[in-house]
Amino acid sequence: QKEVEQDPGPLSVPEGAIVSLNCTYSNSAFQYFMWYRQYSRKGPELLMYTYSSGNKEDGRFTAQVDKSSKYISLFIRDSQPSDSATYLCAMSRSADYKLSFGAGTTVTVRA
Amino acid sequence: NAGVTQTPKFQVLKTGQSMTLQCAQDMNHEYMSWYRQDPGMGLRLIHYSVGAGITDQGEVPNGYNVSRSTTEDFPLRLLSAAPSQTSVYFCASSDPIQGWTEAFFGQGTRLTVV
Repeated sequence: QKEVEQDPGPLSVPEGAIVSLNCTYSNSAFQYFMWYRQYSRKGPELLMYTYSSGNKEDGRFTAQVDKSSKYISLFIRDSQPSDSATYLCAMSRSADYKLSFGAGTTVTVRA
Repeated sequence: NAGVTQTPKFQVLKTGQSMTLQCAQDMNHEYMSWYRQDPGMGLRLIHYSVGAGITDQGEVPNGYNVSRSTTEDFPLRLLSAAPSQTSVYFCASSDPIQGWTEAFFGQGTRLTVV
């Protein structure tokens, strides 16, 4: 079993829809939870990060972490074609900066 | 400020050949790492370094060597290329000295082993 599970999709939504992405994990030692966005043939770029449980909002993006369920989510409101990308969840332990990634979910927002 | 620079961008190797993937960063980050990205697998850690002269293995280190002689450079060497090493390779750097910080990734090297 992989340490971090993420449905690879693909996911196709119309412009303006809410995109919901999630990951589950098995290692309770993870403390930092991140979402990276990766455009085609580019390197991943950090979108959001959260420490421990809770919610974090940044514009149209909301990240949620539920450590009791070992479940994290990313919501994209009012999705735009420019949001079309692969979204990777990543996690790390508090004293260990090695990142464990999910498989990535490919999202297409149709104009 | 270029960030993380990887060379080459593309490479085709024959089975058994060796090569070095270059990675350089100009942010004075202490922490550098190499990942490989395969379809359906996400990014998997190959090797990492927490500073010059210090390296350690990640999740999938077999067939790869690294060294860190300077803060800026972290090359990845393929000793004897195999088709299973066909992948996209990403180098990343971050600065954990000030607590958790963002990992910056290079643009990747697409490697095909035939």
